[in-house]
Amino acid sequence: KNQVEQSPQSLIILEGKNCTLQCNYTVSPFSNLRWYKQDTGRGPVSLTIMTFSENTKSNGRYTATLDADTKQSSLHITASQLSDSASYICVVSLQTGANNLFFGTGTRLTVIP
Amino acid sequence: DVKVTQSSRYLVKRTGEKVFLECVQDMDHENMFWYRQDPGLGLRLIYFSYDVKMKEKGDIPEGYSVSREKKERFSLILESASTNQTSMYLCASTSGANVLTFGAGSRLTVL
Repeated sequence: KNQVEQSPQSLIILEGKNCTLQCNYTVSPFSNLRWYKQDTGRGPVSLTIMTFSENTKSNGRYTATLDADTKQSSLHITASQLSDSASYICVVSLQTGANNLFFGTGTRLTVIP
Repeated sequence: DVKVTQSSRYLVKRTGEKVFLECVQDMDHENMFWYRQDPGLGLRLIYFSYDVKMKEKGDIPEGYSVSREKKERFSLILESASTNQTSMYLCASTSGANVLTFGAGSRLTVL
């Protein structure tokens, strides 16, 4: 069964600290993996996209990693800011099919001053 | 700036009412999607469309219908709203590269 699981469900960190969010998936055949950021009351916005051959990709203070062998991805946030408070959603795509996106339930990150 | 616009951010309806949720995109995308998002369940696909007048059922189509008369517009219809349809509804579009652009969402409350 194709599934995407994220951990932790929620996380509270102090401003300026680093954190790492996890995404494990069983989706196959794998095409790519994306991390989205969703601010409260808004739609998700894409942060990074990673294909099978990519191990690491950065977008400012956000760094995503992918281990296609163990089917794990992580999103590392460096020097967190209050504006990082949001839900982070992992989305994995199949190689084929019209309905080929599988969503994790997200990690709710709260950055406190 | 490319956009997916959902016309209604907040709606309150009564059980049995007909509800229209409108979504318009200005990116000339072929594919459009309607999801609902509930705490602990993540995003679940209701319907999607890959061309004008074409529609496909997603994972949870029961109680919903859709309309795509023009390429830029994809409407979600609740023929007879029920309390279990209280949710956040998200519209998205993509050109086929599978990078979804989402609207801001429509929060529907059914009393």
